[in-house]
Amino acid sequence: AQTVTQSQPEMSVQEAETVTLSCTYDTSENNYYLFWYKQPPSRQMILVIRQEAYKQQNATENRFSVNFQKAAKSFSLKISDSQLGDTAMYFCAFMNYGGSQGNLIFGKGTKLSVKP
Amino acid sequence: NAGVTQTPKFQVLKTGQSMTLQCAQDMNHNSMYWYRQDPGMGLRLIYYSASEGTTDKGEVPNGYNVSRLNKREFSLRLESAAPSQTSVYFCASSVSLAGAYNEQFFGPGTRLTVL
Repeated sequence: AQTVTQSQPEMSVQEAETVTLSCTYDTSENNYYLFWYKQPPSRQMILVIRQEAYKQQNATENRFSVNFQKAAKSFSLKISDSQLGDTAMYFCAFMNYGGSQGNLIFGKGTKLSVKP
Repeated sequence: NAGVTQTPKFQVLKTGQSMTLQCAQDMNHNSMYWYRQDPGMGLRLIYYSASEGTTDKGEVPNGYNVSRLNKREFSLRLESAAPSQTSVYFCASSVSLAGAYNEQFFGPGTRLTVL
């Protein structure tokens, strides 16, 4: 069974600085997807970034980028130029490739606070 | 497009009461999902429906039943609510094309408290 581990329950960063959130996962599969979701106080789940395991290039979305280390089963999220609106829970998630059920497996989350 | 909608947004039940959480999507998606989120936890899959007319158990199905009423609607029923079912419930949907990435779109959640 796949598992996702986020070892940082809480983190804080000063506005405009850079922060990195850690995630490790365990799977015997070779093809899969990894995600970072943001959950602000509104509770809405928002997809931040996605990485396909077969792609060596790290995904980027504006100020968000990932460091995907497949052999180490590590998938960290870097947020550059942090903004107050980045304050939220961040969840790392795993999905098997091509699965019809599309079952997402989530970590327990990291609560990020951006301080002015 | 409203996306994925859930009703109600909040609900308080007494132990032993029953209720149904409603979910609807207007994106013509094939697959729909119910997750629960407990404090300090990520979301966990309760049930899913890969297509209209089919449902399957997820990681934590005990105490729940589901109905895929039609392609748009997927309901979650608690027959006899227990305090352990106090949680935030999320519905999600996805297109589910074989061999392709299928993003899941989430509803706003229902906060359920069982006293």
